[in-house]
Parts: sequence; C-alpha cells; structure tokens
Amino acid sequence: QVQLVESGGGLVKPGGSLRLSCAASEFTFSDYYMSWIRQAPGKGLEWLSYISSTGNSIYYADSVKGRFTISRDNARKSLYLQMNSLRAEDTAVYYCAREDGYNIWGQGTMVTVSS
Amino acid sequence: QAVVTQEPSLTVSPGGTVTLTCGSSTGAVTSGHYPYWFQQKPGQAPRTLIYDTNNKHSWTPARFSGSLLGGKAALTLSGAQPEDEADYYCLLSYSGARVFGGGTKLTVL
Repeated sequence: QVQLVESGGGLVKPGGSLRLSCAASEFTFSDYYMSWIRQAPGKGLEWLSYISSTGNSIYYADSVKGRFTISRDNARKSLYLQMNSLRAEDTAVYYCAREDGYNIWGQGTMVTVSS
Repeated sequence: QAVVTQEPSLTVSPGGTVTLTCGSSTGAVTSGHYPYWFQQKPGQAPRTLIYDTNNKHSWTPARFSGSLLGGKAALTLSGAQPEDEADYYCLLSYSGARVFGGGTKLTVL
C-alpha cells in the first residue's frame, strides 16, 4: 500500500546532530514534492521544510533555517532531514508527508534532545 | 514569518453546527494561501479534510466544508458527531513557506 515510514529518531544531546529518513513505497516518489512537519509533546503542528520533486526548490521555516537540511534520493525513494545544532525545543515527533494535498503521512519518529 | 491564528477551543452540541476560522497576520486569507484543514485525534497522525480552500478528499465526511469568510479561511461542521471531537489545524502557504495555525480543540458535548 502507499505509505511513508520515518526512521532515525532517538535521544541526542543539545548541540548534537541527527539524520532522519523517510522511505516511500507503492507510489512514484520522484513525482511528488515532500515535506517535514513536527509536533512537540502536547503541542501543535509545525511545518519545517519542503523539497520539490527534483530537489531544485527548497523552503524552510525560520525556526530551523541554517540548522536543518532537507534532501532526497529519488533512486532510493527516500527523503531526509539532517538536523544539526539541536536544542531542547527541537524535541518532537517528526513526520514526513506527501505534498499533494498532504494525503499521505508517515507514522512519525520521535526525537528527544536532552542532556 | 507570518503567524496563523485559530480559536484555541470550541464546543459544539451533537447535531449542531460550528465554524472554525484561520486568520493570517499578513492580512486577509485568500485562495492564494491554498488553505488546508487537518483533523488530528489523540495518538494519530493528522489527516487532511480540506485542501485548496474548499476541496475534499474522498474520505472527508460530507458534513465538513471549507470556505473563505470575513478575510479568514473557515471550516464549517454541520451536524456534529461525537467522533468529530479532535484537534483541527489549518495550514496556509506564503510563496513557498507554509505555516500551521495553533490548532482548535473541538469538543462535542
């Protein structure tokens, strides 16, 4: 079935780095723009970044600009989020989503930033 | 970056009608912001109810509708059901970047 599966979350110390992955299946990944969205515990949704189907167009939220980098590998049908200089406030569940109507979301991966 | 505002909480009676709104700090919300509405229940990923102001997915119950109202995006629920109790988020696009509203906790009581 059409799905997205995130991985790579975990516990990291403040100032550390983490790379999240999002694996796509049962659809032509290279046809779609993709986004990363997060949700801190008990809080609302926060859009972080999107990347065009070819990777030529990328946007970031101000809160992560300069620290996070979105990328994709269409041959591997995968989306990535490189997160550097992590802070406690980056603690959240991170979702990837397909941008065509946001009708496909992953189940999320938890990132905890704590010493 | 723009700030998107929603009512923090609303209550509707079963069978009743309620309208949730989504405003922008930059001015009136237009179709050019491509408003989205999402529903999220505890422990679940969000799901899209409305895209591009008023378009529904195949799974969107007919009782939900989207519109522009008084300079804001609006989600109207007509004939509320107990299973509609959830958090609702709007999303607006700003020439590339997107911004979620803070969410509305809808209680059906």
